[in-house]
Amino acid sequence: GENVEQHPSTLSVQEGDSAVIKCTYSDSASNYFPWYKQELGKRPQLIIDIRSNVGEKKDQRIAVTLNKTAKHFSLHITETQPEDSAVYFCAAVRDTGRRALTFGSGTRLQVQP
Amino acid sequence: ETGVTQTPRHLVMGMTNKKSLKCEQHLGHNAMYWYKQSAKKPLELMFVYSLEERVENNSVPSRFSPECPNSSHLFLHLHTLQPEDSALYLCASSQDQTGSYGYTFGSGTRLTVV
Repeated sequence: GENVEQHPSTLSVQEGDSAVIKCTYSDSASNYFPWYKQELGKRPQLIIDIRSNVGEKKDQRIAVTLNKTAKHFSLHITETQPEDSAVYFCAAVRDTGRRALTFGSGTRLQVQP
Repeated sequence: ETGVTQTPRHLVMGMTNKKSLKCEQHLGHNAMYWYKQSAKKPLELMFVYSLEERVENNSVPSRFSPECPNSSHLFLHLHTLQPEDSALYLCASSQDQTGSYGYTFGSGTRLTVV
């Protein structure tokens, strides 16, 4: 089955700096990679995703990059703001398979004002 | 409201009690999931239902018993739990069982076993 590793487990940045969270996956057939944000006491919410037919996707201040050869993908947040503080989870799945999403262990991002 | 509703939001139960968690979705999704979220651990998949059929059971102890009477409702029946079962239990739904169109999570049930 799929195994997803996520680093770092905690990340502290100054407001305005960039933050990068990295994930690696084991199943070379995985082709869908979402990122979820979970604010304190709230439900996880999908913030961006990427499929294996593209290498990069952007949505305002967030972007995700995918390197299929190396089997890793990353979340990039630019111009961080205090409201970006949350736990971020990456995940991976083969969309033609029978298994559900496999999640990484999460990264707690703290943006210092 | 995101379309996935979980009740109750908080539950305290003794180890000999029997209780049930409820999840309801009105998004027209075909798949529903139970996840366990413990402190400092990744989201642990417990059960997956696709079109009311259980398609995945991740070696979950029998003291957790899921039920999916229809595609909009999912239950998790609890009995003789242990203190280590205390966690946030999240329900999610998706268009299909892979979740490759994104999950919609409920707000979760914070379970404390005393």
